[in-house]
Amino acid sequence: GAGVSQSPSNKVTEKGKDVELRCDPISGHTALYWYRQSLGQGLEFLIYFQGNSAPDKSGLPSDRFSAERTGGSVSTLTIQRTQQEDSAVYLCASSRLAGVFYNEQFFGPGTRLTVL
Amino acid sequence: DQQVKQNSPSLSVQEGRISILNCDYTNSMFDYFLWYKKYPAEGPTFLISISSIKDKNEDGRFTVFLNKSAKHLSLHIVPSQPGDSAVYFCAASAGATNKLIFGTGTLLAVQP
Repeated sequence: GAGVSQSPSNKVTEKGKDVELRCDPISGHTALYWYRQSLGQGLEFLIYFQGNSAPDKSGLPSDRFSAERTGGSVSTLTIQRTQQEDSAVYLCASSRLAGVFYNEQFFGPGTRLTVL
Repeated sequence: DQQVKQNSPSLSVQEGRISILNCDYTNSMFDYFLWYKKYPAEGPTFLISISSIKDKNEDGRFTVFLNKSAKHLSLHIVPSQPGDSAVYFCAASAGATNKLIFGTGTLLAVQP
């Protein structure tokens, strides 16, 4: 596709269950970012991928959160043993190679996660 | 510790008038600043940006001003149009990862 896609668009789960969120970046974009927006908050950085490696995981809120990227393309964000405070919109963005000069990040529509 | 702050959660202006959205930051290492626009149920879309070596960048109806000494930037929209109604996020970037630090957003409502 032409833009960043994310699936599912909405996910409702019960507290304690595991969830997987998927991101398909723009073809050829080597940098991939996950952010989340909690109610009434700005977007919060979670993790950055360059290719398949994640040199910056500083935003992951706990060890229940993990992410991987395969083939330099699709990324999956996994949240284990979900808690109600994990409820948020999870956004993925991709860009050309990150570096000294900023490259525009293109965002997907997000996955709205609700933990009951 | 909020490094990027948007102190006005909402702003209402009349169509045709100027909209001014403000943003303050605390980290002097930020070297690139951006404004994103977001509609409900959509991801943010890039609007305009400015490098820290500049103090103004203009693109059509949109102008961003950067005051480094005050650690303040603003977005001017002239003239405002009803289609501009959205949430506007200020963001800043530093370092080789280009990760963005966002403010909490300002909801702009342009009244016809």
